[in-house]
Amino acid sequence: GESVGLHLPTLSVQEGDNSIINCAYSNSASDYFIWYKQESGKGPQFIIDIRSNMDKRQGQRVTVLLNKTVKHLSLQIAATQPGDSAVYFCAENSGTYKYIFGTGTRLKVLA
Amino acid sequence: GAGVSQTPSNKVTEKGKYVELRCDPISGHTALYWYRQSLGQGPEFLIYFQGTGAADDSGLPNDRFFAVRPEGSVSTLKIQRTERGDSAVYLCASSLGQGAQNEQFFGPGTRLTVL
Repeated sequence: GESVGLHLPTLSVQEGDNSIINCAYSNSASDYFIWYKQESGKGPQFIIDIRSNMDKRQGQRVTVLLNKTVKHLSLQIAATQPGDSAVYFCAENSGTYKYIFGTGTRLKVLA
Repeated sequence: GAGVSQTPSNKVTEKGKYVELRCDPISGHTALYWYRQSLGQGPEFLIYFQGTGAADDSGLPNDRFFAVRPEGSVSTLKIQRTERGDSAVYLCASSLGQGAQNEQFFGPGTRLTVL
C-alpha cells in the first residue's frame, strides 16, 4: 500500500504499553483540534477531537490533552495494540472548514 | 454504508500530460474537499466545495490545477501540463455541512506519479 512517509518521527511501543504522541500547533486562534490515524494506503480516519474550552477529553482507549499556553496537543493510547500501528496526525481549525495538519508521527507497535 | 471513493487509486503519467482525478463523496454530503499529501507530510488543503460552487480554492498551487463539481456530488480534480513536483497522494474528503465540527470523511486517495 501507499506509504505516507519514510522520514516521519517514529514512536516504537511494546504491545500492551501506553503510547503518547505529541503535536505542536501553530495558530493561537485555533479553537478546535482533531487527531487522525492514517494506515498505509488509506485516508486519514478521525480518532478524537477537542475544543479549546477543554483541556482533556477521553474516548475509548484514547485521551487527548490540550495545553493552550504552549500550543501543545497530545494523544494518549492505552494498552497499545498491533492494530494501532499507523501514522497519527493532529489537525487544528480556527472555526472554518479548513484544517491545518501537522507533520505526523509513525507509531510502531512491537509484539 | 459506502464511504468516500476515489479513482483511480494509482495514476502514472509523463511530464506535460493532463490528468483527471475523480472523487465520489458520501451520499448527501454537501461539502467536499481536496487535499494533497506529499511524502512525509500531512495533508494540505487545496479546494473546498459547498454544493456545486468552489467556495475556497486558495490552496490550489497554480493555474494548472482546477476542480469541478457540476452536480454537487462527484468532483474531478484536473491537472494540466503535469510536473514531477505534482507527484503526491491526492485526498478527497466530504462532510455533511461546512464548519469546523462537521467531521470530514476521507477517501483512500489517488497516488499520482509524474515521470
